[in-house]
Amino acid sequence: DVKVTQSSRYLVKRTGEKVFLECVQDMDHENMFWYRQDPGLGLRLIYFSYDVKMKEKGDIPEGYSVSREKKERFSLILESASTNQTSMYLCASGGQEIYGYTFGSGTRLTVV
Amino acid sequence: RKEVEQDPGPFNVPEGATVAFNCTYSNSASQSFFWYRQDCRKEPKLLMSVYSSGNEDGRFTAQLNRASQYISLLIRDSKLSDSATYLCVVWESYTGTASKLTFGTGTRLQVTL
Repeated sequence: DVKVTQSSRYLVKRTGEKVFLECVQDMDHENMFWYRQDPGLGLRLIYFSYDVKMKEKGDIPEGYSVSREKKERFSLILESASTNQTSMYLCASGGQEIYGYTFGSGTRLTVV
Repeated sequence: RKEVEQDPGPFNVPEGATVAFNCTYSNSASQSFFWYRQDCRKEPKLLMSVYSSGNEDGRFTAQLNRASQYISLLIRDSKLSDSATYLCVVWESYTGTASKLTFGTGTRLQVTL
């Protein structure tokens, strides 16, 4: 089974802090993704990466950046956390499209 | 118009009922389609892929109509354990080399005794 591991299940951060969310997958997948999920809005794509050191903006990249230095690890960075970034953050990885993606268990981030 | 649209529900059905969910997508170039299931406070998990010819997995049947840009999921003989949110998902090319999944907001199903 593919495993996608997110470093924290729950996080509480203060406004203005720099926040790192880490995601690691163990299946040598090329594609990795960061989504956020909010009630009524569903999952929205923040950033994704289809190769090491490659990144693409998703639908809502503002206020976020990413890093992919190794194939198995994809980090989401909130440069200066704000209260409107309080959300559930989900990392996913995928290889061939026919198999869909596998998600990590999510990080519930609260910015106070 | 949303890229992937679903009726949010909730659908409240008794055990044993048949229930159908529908989904429409806006990008005619979309290439692959999926249904995911998400339990409360959990991550989405792949339920099944959707093929042009339609496909079945036990009590679950998925259909795709490319001409109408419409996807459906049929659940027969509903169980209490089917209670969850069902997400319609579309795979599309994003740039020349990259592609992405776009999710509908989900349809909530509650199966009752």
